[in-house]
Amino acid sequence: GEDVEQSLFLSVREGDSSVINCTYTDSSSTYLYWYKQEPGAGLQLLTYIFSNMDMKQDQRLTVLLNKKDKHLSLRIADTQTGDSAIYFCAETQSNNNDMRFGAGTRLTVKP
Amino acid sequence: DSGVTQTPKHLITATGQRVTLRCSPRSGDLSVYWYQQSLDQGLQFLIQYYNGEERAKGNILERFSAQQFPDLHSELNLSSLELGDSALYFCASSVDFPGTLSGNTIYFGEGSWLTVV
Repeated sequence: GEDVEQSLFLSVREGDSSVINCTYTDSSSTYLYWYKQEPGAGLQLLTYIFSNMDMKQDQRLTVLLNKKDKHLSLRIADTQTGDSAIYFCAETQSNNNDMRFGAGTRLTVKP
Repeated sequence: DSGVTQTPKHLITATGQRVTLRCSPRSGDLSVYWYQQSLDQGLQFLIQYYNGEERAKGNILERFSAQQFPDLHSELNLSSLELGDSALYFCASSVDFPGTLSGNTIYFGEGSWLTVV
């Protein structure tokens, strides 16, 4: 089965908050990442969190990590139409060649 | 702009042909990774090179090969192409200094769209 799971779709209204969730199975995951992929573009690193952190905030982005439940979330405050993209959760231990990606959550922001 | 440069951006070729995708990593990054993104398989790790040496192999077909040159740029060679090889191929790079968050963070290029017809 999937090592990293995400719901495939999320739709929100402009100005609302978006919460994208991710679960992973490897308890030894050390680094967790959120990447954004806009249509026709590459993966852009949005933010990351180390496994000994519970929360990281960066402007409109808030990452929450529940290590006990192996649950990672990305909250986007005041979601804009430009936030429409696919968001990938990824995790790795110490070796990037073992980085595992979720299938991606397609966020649609409606005006 | 991640600092990782890939060429070509788009490529259309026929079945049975061979293509080479090129990648220049971020300045200072020693590791280069190749990923394949297709609709049915999602994002798949293919191979990693570190300072010119192959470090790890993922789901890379035998028809595919890669190398990293002394100037740290990398090439991914795809041969005997099949329709199913149509995908977006990403190169990524990192400093790859184990034990540090910044050292492990990888940055992706814009990708090379390969269409096999």
